[in-house]
Amino acid sequence: EPEVTQTPSHQVTQMGQEVILRCVPISNHLYFYWYRQILGQKVEFLVSFYNNEISEKSEIFDDQFSVERPDGSNFTLKIRSTKLEDSAMYFCASTHRVLTGELFFGEGSRLTVL
Amino acid sequence: DAKTTQPPSMDCAEGRAANLPCNHSTISGNEYVYWYRQIHSQGPQYIIHGLKNNETNEMASLIITEDRKSSTLILPHATLRDTAVYYCIVRTPLGGTSYGKLTFGQGTILTVHP
Repeated sequence: EPEVTQTPSHQVTQMGQEVILRCVPISNHLYFYWYRQILGQKVEFLVSFYNNEISEKSEIFDDQFSVERPDGSNFTLKIRSTKLEDSAMYFCASTHRVLTGELFFGEGSRLTVL
Repeated sequence: DAKTTQPPSMDCAEGRAANLPCNHSTISGNEYVYWYRQIHSQGPQYIIHGLKNNETNEMASLIITEDRKSSTLILPHATLRDTAVYYCIVRTPLGGTSYGKLTFGQGTILTVHP
């Protein structure tokens, strides 16, 4: 069964460092998403991406964050200068039908900022 | 997005049916009801979705009231592996500034015990 894969599964970084989280969505999917979940809190929407551009973003997704699809298969989330409060699980998701298609989520990347 | 209300927690005996309620009294006519679950800190997993008719798949059944203001997710024979947080989500349809994102609430913590 096709699945969304994310790397790394866990990354530890120092405050102020840049981090890139990578996702390989399901191959025929066209709509991509990043979510995050701070420990003990709910899953929060960050950004959606379609046709090589951001289609929607939340207030969390400020100038420190960026996304791109560099090569037609990977979908990346970059955090430019990490802060302690960026420590969270980051989930990538994709779907092929934005109206009724279910989102398929990856297993997540745990980011720990020290 | 329409707001949903779920009980914070529920218990169920293994082998019995688990019935998880959800209120979505402000749902619009073209909004779908989705159910996801999250086991521990894994990525959310799609369970089922529906618009107005009852739906069934290999995982669960979804019963939507005629006025669409509430729904119930039924796990017919709960197992210990069904212990998870269950999210009822009303999904904003495509259009305007929405590209199919899911907005997660706090969900219901379902504990299946032996």
